[in-house]
Amino acid sequence: QKEVEQNSGPLSVPEGAIASLNCTYSDRVSQSFFWYRQYSGKSPELIMSIYSNGDKEDGRFTAQLNKASQYVSLLIRDSQPSDSATYLCAGRGSARQLTFGSGTQLTVLP
Amino acid sequence: EADIYQTPRYLVIGTGKKITLECSQTMGHDKMYWYQQDPGMELHLIHYSYGVNSTEKGDLSSESTVSRIRTEHFPLTLESARPSHTSQYLCASGLAGQETQYFGPGTRLLVL
Repeated sequence: QKEVEQNSGPLSVPEGAIASLNCTYSDRVSQSFFWYRQYSGKSPELIMSIYSNGDKEDGRFTAQLNKASQYVSLLIRDSQPSDSATYLCAGRGSARQLTFGSGTQLTVLP
Repeated sequence: EADIYQTPRYLVIGTGKKITLECSQTMGHDKMYWYQQDPGMELHLIHYSYGVNSTEKGDLSSESTVSRIRTEHFPLTLESARPSHTSQYLCASGLAGQETQYFGPGTRLLVL
C-alpha cells in the first residue's frame, strides 16, 4: 500500500459548485498533512496544512482530517475555473520526509 | 511568497555531459530538498539536507549528487547525463522543526 493515495481523477465540477478531493494514508504516515496546488507546468504551492482531527477553514478552502479512518480531504467552495489544477496531498512518511500522493486533476467548467 | 530560485529553468543537453542544477533560497531555511517529477506523475524525493554539510539520499534512487556548503545553496549535479534523466527537477526548502515546504519554479531537463 502506498503511504499516501489519491484518486487521480480527472474530477470535473461546474463553476460555483463544491469540489471534494480525497486522500487516504497508511499507518506509516504521521498526523501532519498538507494540500498543495500545482498548475500545469508549474511547481506546487501550499494551500493548507492540517494537524488535528476535524476541519480547518481558510477562505473557500476547508481541509478535513479523520485520523480514525485515515483520510484527509480538501473541499473547495464556489469553485472557479482558476481552481483548475492538480491537487497534491502530502503527509510525513516513514522516512520522516513528506510523502506526496500522485495528485488529483481538477477541472472547473465555466 | 517563498524566495527560492532555480536555474536554469530549461536545459537541453546531450548525453554524457556534466550538468549542475542550481537552487538558492533567501529565507534562511535549514532544510532543503530535491524532487524529481515526470509529467502527470507524483513527486519523488531524491535528496535532502538538514543543514550545512548534511546531505541524505531520498526514497528514489538517483545517479545525481548534491552538496550543501552554504545554507542558502543546494546544487544538484549529474556527472554524465542520460536520456533517462529527462524530467522536471523541483527544489524545496523549509524551516527546521516545521514540515511545510516551499517549492522553487523547477528546472525542466531534456537529455538528447
